[in-house]
Amino acid sequence: DAGVTQSPTHLIKTRGQQVTLRCSPKSGHDTVSWYQQALGQGPQFIFQYYEEEERQRGNFPDRFSGHQFPNYSSELNVNALLLGDSALYLCASSARDRFSNEKLFFGSGTQLSVL
Amino acid sequence: RKEVEQDPGPFNVPEGATVAFNCTYSNSASQSFFWYRQDCRKEPKLLMSVYSSGNEDGRFTAQLNRASQYISLLIRDSKLSDSATYLCVVNMGPDSWGKLQFGAGTQVVVTP
Repeated sequence: DAGVTQSPTHLIKTRGQQVTLRCSPKSGHDTVSWYQQALGQGPQFIFQYYEEEERQRGNFPDRFSGHQFPNYSSELNVNALLLGDSALYLCASSARDRFSNEKLFFGSGTQLSVL
Repeated sequence: RKEVEQDPGPFNVPEGATVAFNCTYSNSASQSFFWYRQDCRKEPKLLMSVYSSGNEDGRFTAQLNRASQYISLLIRDSKLSDSATYLCVVNMGPDSWGKLQFGAGTQVVVTP
């Protein structure tokens, strides 16, 4: 049973560029959430997707956008990269029922470095 | 003030000892609470949910105090493998199912 998979594992970009990160949820899960984790901090909620729509959003600028596909996989896009966007980006999947929705299974993350 | 605050530690614990630490949260409307564990350079993993009546899972005991807005985690008979960062997680209220707030974590180091 495949868990949550993310790609790529590492990425180096320069300021002003755009980046796309990808995530496939755990089998049986239909909800995908994205988190940003800076060094020494806890993960910060970016947004959550269910039924191909953004359902919840955290305090992140519009430069951060996402998409969910019919097979439940998801992408995170970040435009106009800033040095401060350097972080570990974590994808988490869950099942939609109220009991399971907040029990997250995380992928191993994409480490983004912006130079 | 941060929405979820934790003592960063590290808590240095001899193997076999008991360690306990708290987490405070600011949103009185929060309705679900969790502890996650994160090993160095790895993804967070759900350790346990925290219920109003308190709950145990083996050597781990979690408590919730709604009046004072804190949750706690106690680890008995600590093992070397318990060394990790423990993340306190709180949801952002009844209209925010799935929108979770993580603390910065408490580091626990179990020594032989």
